[in-house]
Amino acid sequence: AQSVAQPEDQVNVAEGNPLTVKCTYSVSGNPYLFWYVQYPNRGLQFLLKYITGDNLVKGSYGFEAEFNKSQTSFHLKKPSALVSDSALYFCAHMEYGNKLVFGAGTILRVKS
Amino acid sequence: GAVVSQHPSRVICKSGTSVKIECRSLDFQATTMFWYRQFPKQSLMLMATSNEGSKATYEQGVEKDKFLINHASLTLSTLTVTSAHPEDSSFYICSATRQGAKDTQYFGPGTRLTVL
Repeated sequence: AQSVAQPEDQVNVAEGNPLTVKCTYSVSGNPYLFWYVQYPNRGLQFLLKYITGDNLVKGSYGFEAEFNKSQTSFHLKKPSALVSDSALYFCAHMEYGNKLVFGAGTILRVKS
Repeated sequence: GAVVSQHPSRVICKSGTSVKIECRSLDFQATTMFWYRQFPKQSLMLMATSNEGSKATYEQGVEKDKFLINHASLTLSTLTVTSAHPEDSSFYICSATRQGAKDTQYFGPGTRLTVL
């Protein structure tokens, strides 16, 4: 089955430090990969996507992600974390029919 | 642009009653809408895909007679939870895609359903 995995339930980082939220994929064919962020009791907000082209994708709020085919990874990164980045982050893969399959999610906690 | 709203944001109902949740695309026409369910501290699970003017396509294990989906216009889809039971309590989230950009889903803020 095609899927994405987020190996970390939670990531803790100090404000101002770089952050990485990990995602790996298991997809046949070309992967269509996404990152979404969810704040408490709210819907998801789109951060960025990889369809094709440059492996480094830049998205909203200073986030970026690097598509690595050899490692089947699509880790989310930000050079300098903000306390307001604290939220639940989801990696997702788009299947046939434009259906999104989400990873389990990673809680990001940024401490001042 | 690409704003999706849901109404109500929160609803509490008695067991056995039916609840309707609306999903609207406010500033674009949504060719496809999706309905998800999210349990506390868990991921989103796709329930069904809805295309305007046609019957919804339900994911395996989702009871179509219990979760009625109607997509009557290009800006509105509704999810009706029929004969709700406490186990139906959950956070229901819809999303929509716009014409010409089907690879990006725009999500509503979600509806918290509590069945007593």
